[in-house]
Amino acid sequence: AQSVTQLGSHVSVSEGALVLLRCNYSSSVPPYLFWYVQYPNQGLQLLLKYTTGATLVKGINGFEAEFKKSETSFHLTKPSAHMSDAAEYFCVQDTGRRALTFGSGTRLQVQP
Amino acid sequence: DTGVSQNPRHKITKRGQNVTFRCDPISEHNRLYWYRQTLGQGPEFLTYFQNEAQLEKSRLLSDRFSAERPKGSFSTLEIQRTEQGDSAMYLCASSLEMANTEAFFGQGTRLTVV
Repeated sequence: AQSVTQLGSHVSVSEGALVLLRCNYSSSVPPYLFWYVQYPNQGLQLLLKYTTGATLVKGINGFEAEFKKSETSFHLTKPSAHMSDAAEYFCVQDTGRRALTFGSGTRLQVQP
Repeated sequence: DTGVSQNPRHKITKRGQNVTFRCDPISEHNRLYWYRQTLGQGPEFLTYFQNEAQLEKSRLLSDRFSAERPKGSFSTLEIQRTEQGDSAMYLCASSLEMANTEAFFGQGTRLTVV
């Protein structure tokens, strides 16, 4: 079965601190992986995606993620958190055989 | 094109009533998806279309749920005999046909069954 696991439903960091949101995927075929963000009262929007090629991908707002096949991971990072980063983040996989599979989400809080 | 549009944004209905939601995808997108999201959870896949063909339905989708995309453009999701457990945000998304392309999401329709 294909699934996405996000470790930590809530993460709290101080403004300026490193953001690390963890994601592990489970897929029988190499997946395409995405991170989506959902701000309060807004729709989901794409932060970044991994398809093929370079395993370190950069997205909007200074976020990046690294695809590690050996660890089946796709963790999301940002060197320095900003208050505006407070949102819910979803790790998503697409194996091409069915529609997108979402993780359960991680709510990021940024403390001043 | 203003993106994926969903109507209505909010719907309150009494238990047992039927409701219908509409999704207008981005015009050139072949694929259209419906998801359901409850509080504190990630979106759960319900069904998806490629053009007018409904290619997959989740086992979560009971026979009270039906979706159509009659001309491969807009889609409707109908829930018959609503139950309180149907209360959720219903999300629509669309994308081009390839697997590695971005899915664009609408803002959702929030259903409350009282």
